[in-house]
Amino acid sequence: EPEVTQTPSHQVTQMGQEVILRCVPISNHLYFYWYRQILGQKVEFLVSFYNNEISEKSEIFDDQFSVERPDGSNFTLKIRSTKLEDSAMYFCASSVGFLNEQFFGPGTRLTVL
Amino acid sequence: AQSVTQLGSHVSVSEGALVLLRCNYSSSVPPYLFWYVQYPNQGLQLLLKYTSAATLVKGINGFEAEFKKSETSFHLTKPSAHMSDAAEYFCAVNGGSQGNLIFGKGTKLSVKP
Repeated sequence: EPEVTQTPSHQVTQMGQEVILRCVPISNHLYFYWYRQILGQKVEFLVSFYNNEISEKSEIFDDQFSVERPDGSNFTLKIRSTKLEDSAMYFCASSVGFLNEQFFGPGTRLTVL
Repeated sequence: AQSVTQLGSHVSVSEGALVLLRCNYSSSVPPYLFWYVQYPNQGLQLLLKYTSAATLVKGINGFEAEFKKSETSFHLTKPSAHMSDAAEYFCAVNGGSQGNLIFGKGTKLSVKP
């Protein structure tokens, strides 16, 4: 069964460093999403991506964040200069259409020290 | 703006007992509603979704949910809990035009033998 994969499963970084979180969506999916979940809080939408551009983003997704689909398979989230409050679980998701089921990856736990 | 409220951050039931997880929504447009389940160290998996067809929606693993517009509710039920149902459950509503999901805070379900 096809699945969304994410690497790494856990990333530890120093404040101010850049991190790149990687996702491989399901191959025939067209819509891609990043969400995050700070420990003990709700899952929050960050950004959606379609047709090689950002289609929607939340107020959390500021200039420190960027997304890219560098090739036909990977979908990345970059945080330019990490802050302590960026520590969270980051989930990638993909779907065939924007109202179809979103399939989620297992997440990357980001710890900023 | 769309939002979701899940009543009860933690619900505990005995094996074989009824499971009832509550979700109320707020939406300025006809909502699409979802229930996702998250097992430990895994991503979110879709249990079921409401997309304005039948108000009683059946999902995987014996779960179902009923959309009640008058009560703005979409509660999740299962007649008989199983130990394998222990997980965290998230209710979500479609957010913006690109299908991003707005999640509730989640309800952790424990099942006692």
